[in-house]
Parts: sequence; C-alpha cells; structure tokens
Amino acid sequence: TQLLEQSPQFLSIQEGENLTVYCNSSSVFSSLQWYRQEPGEGPVLLVTVVTGGEVKKLKRLTFQFGDARKDSSLHITAAQPGDTGLYLCAYNQGGKLIFGQGTELSVKP
Amino acid sequence: SAVISQKPSRDICQRGTSLTIQCQVDSQVTMMFWYRQQPGQSLTLIATANQGSEATYESGFVIDKFPISRPNLTFSTLTVSNMSPEDSSIYLCSVVRGADTQYFGPGTRLTVL
Repeated sequence: TQLLEQSPQFLSIQEGENLTVYCNSSSVFSSLQWYRQEPGEGPVLLVTVVTGGEVKKLKRLTFQFGDARKDSSLHITAAQPGDTGLYLCAYNQGGKLIFGQGTELSVKP
Repeated sequence: SAVISQKPSRDICQRGTSLTIQCQVDSQVTMMFWYRQQPGQSLTLIATANQGSEATYESGFVIDKFPISRPNLTFSTLTVSNMSPEDSSIYLCSVVRGADTQYFGPGTRLTVL
C-alpha cells in the first residue's frame, strides 16, 4: 500500500485568507481524489485529477496534480467559514480508497 | 449519486458488548466498504463486503472482531464485537458508483465506556 502524506495536519485561518493543502507521495498514481468531510457526515468527493500537470477549479477551490503524478495540492482562495472541514486526499486501489491523514481546516469569521 | 443510510447514527456501549451497524443503499451495488475513523484521524478501510461470499479484510482487522454480513446487493452489516474503549470511532460504509466515485454513509459514532 502506497502512503499519502498530507500537510499541514491542522490549519486555522481567518475568513478571507488563502491557503494551500498538500498531498505527497513517492509513488506514481493514475489518479488522485480529494474529499471534504464535515462534522457528522461522511466524506464527499470534490474532484478527481487524472493527468499530470492538470489543474481543476471548483469555485474558489483549485486542485493541481503534479507533473510526475506523485503529488497534488488544493488551494482555497478567500476562505469562508463554510469551507471548514476535514480535507482528505485518496487514491483508488481496486475500488477501495486509501486516504491520506487529512487536513483539519477551521475558518473563523 | 447514491443515497446511503446507517443505523444507528450513534451509540454508547459498555465494554465487552457487541454492536451491529446497518448500512442500506438506495439501489444495488456490487461492492460495499466499511471504514473506521478514529477520533481526530483519517479513514482506514476495515473490509470489503462481498455479496454471496465472505468479506475481504484489510491488514490489522479480523473477522472475529468485525464480522460482516452482505445478504443482498443493497444491504450490509458490520458488528463490532467484544468492544473496548479503543473501538470508540466513527464507522462508515461506502459504495462505488460510476467510474470511481465513492459515496459514503453519514457514519455511526460509537463510544465505548
């Protein structure tokens, strides 16, 4: 099983600030996924990145897949309290998901 | 998409007892998965629930501790047996729909005293 290292583990910022979350590995992946989990709920898929160097945007969220397909990043512009949650990167191994450790984001008004 | 429900949503149990968690999906799926999320941590796969055969367990998880049933293509149960405080976690089931989109239930929050 390949490991996904996420950083930072915890992030507490003020509303309006920008932030970047990283997901790194020494392994090459055919794709990586990002999920967000809010308290009391299961994770929800945000995006799947497939092509090396790919950039995908979801409103204020920008996802990038590294050129070598070993890492990915999530950048949030002008964070809002509604962005608060646990952000998880994951890869698919025969249908089952292997998750990184997660980044707990808190956005204060 | 997929609509997944879990019962119970939360429970507080005494050590040494067992709890069975139910997962119901709104339509038939081939694979169902059970994950554990310990307090403040990420998700770890417990097992894959296969219809008509035994579940496939990940390293560190055994059938005696986490027996799983999959009687049909829309339902599965996970039992946490002989519980200890270390079993206090959120337990989530999930299914795959489409190419590789996984949908999760809301989770069952278990506290063992």
